[in-house]
Amino acid sequence: QVRLQESGPGLVKPSGTLSLTCVVSDGSVSSSNWWSWVRQSPGKGLEWIGEIYHTGSTNYNPSLKSRVTISLDKSKNQFSLRLSSVTAADTAVYYCARRLILTGYNKGEWFDPWGQGTLVTVSS
Amino acid sequence: DIVMTQSPLSLPVTPGEPASISCRSSHSLLHSNGFNYLHWYLQKPGQSPQLLIYLGSDRASGVPDRFSGSGSGTDFTLKISRVEAGDVGVYYCMQSLETPPTFGGGTKVEIK
Repeated sequence: QVRLQESGPGLVKPSGTLSLTCVVSDGSVSSSNWWSWVRQSPGKGLEWIGEIYHTGSTNYNPSLKSRVTISLDKSKNQFSLRLSSVTAADTAVYYCARRLILTGYNKGEWFDPWGQGTLVTVSS
Repeated sequence: DIVMTQSPLSLPVTPGEPASISCRSSHSLLHSNGFNYLHWYLQKPGQSPQLLIYLGSDRASGVPDRFSGSGSGTDFTLKISRVEAGDVGVYYCMQSLETPPTFGGGTKVEIK
């Protein structure tokens, strides 16, 4: 049973960069899945941020694309999120999740499982 | 982006009774391959979302057969045949036909 665990600073200053890591256990980031970040805030609900494939290919939400970088570290079996120029609107619980693909296709579909989530607050 | 609209916002239920949640999309989620790219999640209090139903009607591993998904195109329904106390939480639908994937606003199920 694949497990995911997020880690990173819980407080980031405005205009700074949010950095989070997701460690994958009992599974491999080199498998044929997409590895995603999703955030949840009271104001905007659940919002997909982006994803990375084991090849290094990435997809980002157009609304965040200019500020987001997702990377993969196969040696540590983990993937990471960087979100730059943060504001209070980026305050949210950030989840990492595995996004499964439909057999015969390469596109990510449903998320399963999700990490437990980590709260990131943007404040001075 | 495809807009997902759920109803009702809140659903008080009696244990043992059935419950139904509706999800409507602004664009058909029926792919030419015959699959509906619509998925359901449950977020129990204090937990992260967990997958219940994928591709409109397929139950995820370990999900009781009390849960069922139906619908096609733009209108979908999640049904719980007999609600149990452990089913409380917020239910979300999500589409993955187009990027970015988008979620409904959620339906909060609580025990009467």
